[in-house]
Amino acid sequence: EPEVTQTPSHQVTQMGQEVILRCVPISNHLYFYWYRQILGQKVEFLVSFYNNEISEKSEIFDDQFSVERPDGSNFTLKIRSTKLEDSAMYFCASSQEIQETQYFGPGTRLLVL
Amino acid sequence: RKEVEQDPGPFNVPEGATVAFNCTYSNSASQSFFWYRQDCRKEPKLLMSVYSSGNEDGRFTAQLNRASQYISLLIRDSKLSDSATYLCVVNSLKAAGNKLTFGGGTRVLVKP
Repeated sequence: EPEVTQTPSHQVTQMGQEVILRCVPISNHLYFYWYRQILGQKVEFLVSFYNNEISEKSEIFDDQFSVERPDGSNFTLKIRSTKLEDSAMYFCASSQEIQETQYFGPGTRLLVL
Repeated sequence: RKEVEQDPGPFNVPEGATVAFNCTYSNSASQSFFWYRQDCRKEPKLLMSVYSSGNEDGRFTAQLNRASQYISLLIRDSKLSDSATYLCVVNSLKAAGNKLTFGGGTRVLVKP
């Protein structure tokens, strides 16, 4: 069964450093998403991406965040200058069509020290 | 008011029993509704979509009440493996966006 994959599974970084989280969506999916979940809290939407551009973003997704689809398979989330409060589990998701089910990757656990 | 609100639980359920819980949503324009399951430190996994007419998938039954803006999930004949956090999820479809809004989850613990 096709699945969304994410790398790395864990990332530890120093405050102020840049991190890039990588995702490989399901191959025939056209819509891509990033969500995050701070420990003990609910899953929160960050951004959706379609046709090589952002289609919607939340207020969390400020200028420190960016997304890119650098090639035909990868979908990345970059945090330019990490803050302590960026520590969370980051989930990538994809869907085939806009109204279709979103399938989630296993997540990257980011710890900012 | 929270966009999607759930009783956090935990619901302690004897194995084989039935458990039911609800969630409420605030946005009347919401179009799609789902129950996802999340195991500890894992990704959310779709359990079932929720349709206006109500739907059943094996031991799981979901209901949607648009007038009162709530969604319910019922689990029959609970198994130990049903222990998880159940996430109520709402999709307010926009022209280009497809944002899922999650509730905080209801924790279910099935005990022998």
